[in-house]
Amino acid sequence: QKEVEQNSGPLSVPEGAIASLNCTYSDRVSQSFFWYRQYSGKSPELIMSIYSNGDKEDGRFTAQLNKASQYVSLLIRDSQPSDSATYLCAVNKAGSQGNLIFGKGTKLSVKP
Amino acid sequence: DAGITQSPRHKVTETGTPVTLRCHQTENHRYMYWYRQDPGHGLRLIHYSYGVKDTDKGEVSDGYSVSRSKTEDFLLTLESATSSQTSVYFCAISEKGLNEQFFGPGTRLTVL
Repeated sequence: QKEVEQNSGPLSVPEGAIASLNCTYSDRVSQSFFWYRQYSGKSPELIMSIYSNGDKEDGRFTAQLNKASQYVSLLIRDSQPSDSATYLCAVNKAGSQGNLIFGKGTKLSVKP
Repeated sequence: DAGITQSPRHKVTETGTPVTLRCHQTENHRYMYWYRQDPGHGLRLIHYSYGVKDTDKGEVSDGYSVSRSKTEDFLLTLESATSSQTSVYFCAISEKGLNEQFFGPGTRLTVL
C-alpha cells in the first residue's frame, strides 16, 4: 500500500460548485496533515493544516480529518477558475524530524 | 511569503560534472529540507537538516550530499551529475518538526 494516496484526476467541476479532494494514508500514528496547492511551473503553497479529528475551515477551504479511517479531505466551496491547480496531500512520517510524505496530487480544473 | 530563495533557478549541466544548489532563508527556521519533484513520483525528500551541521538522509539520498554551516543556508551537492538527476528541486523550511513546511521557488536542473 502506498503511504499517501490521492486520485490523480483530473477532477473537473463547474465554477461555483464544491470541489472535494480526497487523500488516504497508511501510517496510523501520523499526527500532522497538510494540503498544498501547486500551480503549473510553481512551487507548492500551503493552504491548510490539520492535526485533530474533525473539520477545520479557512475561508472557502475546509479540511476534514478522520484518523480512524486514515482519511483526510479538502473541500473547496464556490470554486473559481483560479482554483485550477494540482492539490497535494502531505502527511508527517511518524518518528521522523517532521518529514512529510506527499501524495502525487490531484489535478483540479474549474470550468467557467 | 516565507523568505526563501533558491539559486540558481535554472541550470543545464553535463553528465559527470559537480553541481551545487543553494537554499537561503531569512526566517531563522531550524528545519530545512531538499525535495525533488518528478512526473509520476511527486515530491520526494532527498535530505533534511534539523540544525546547523545536523543533517540526515531522506527517501532518495543516493548521489546527493548536503551541508549546513549556518542557519540560513542549506546546500545540496550532486558530486557527479547523472541524467536521472534531471528534475525540479525544491527547498522547504519549517520552524519545528511536525509543523508546516514552506517551499522555495525551485530550481530546474537538466543533466545532459
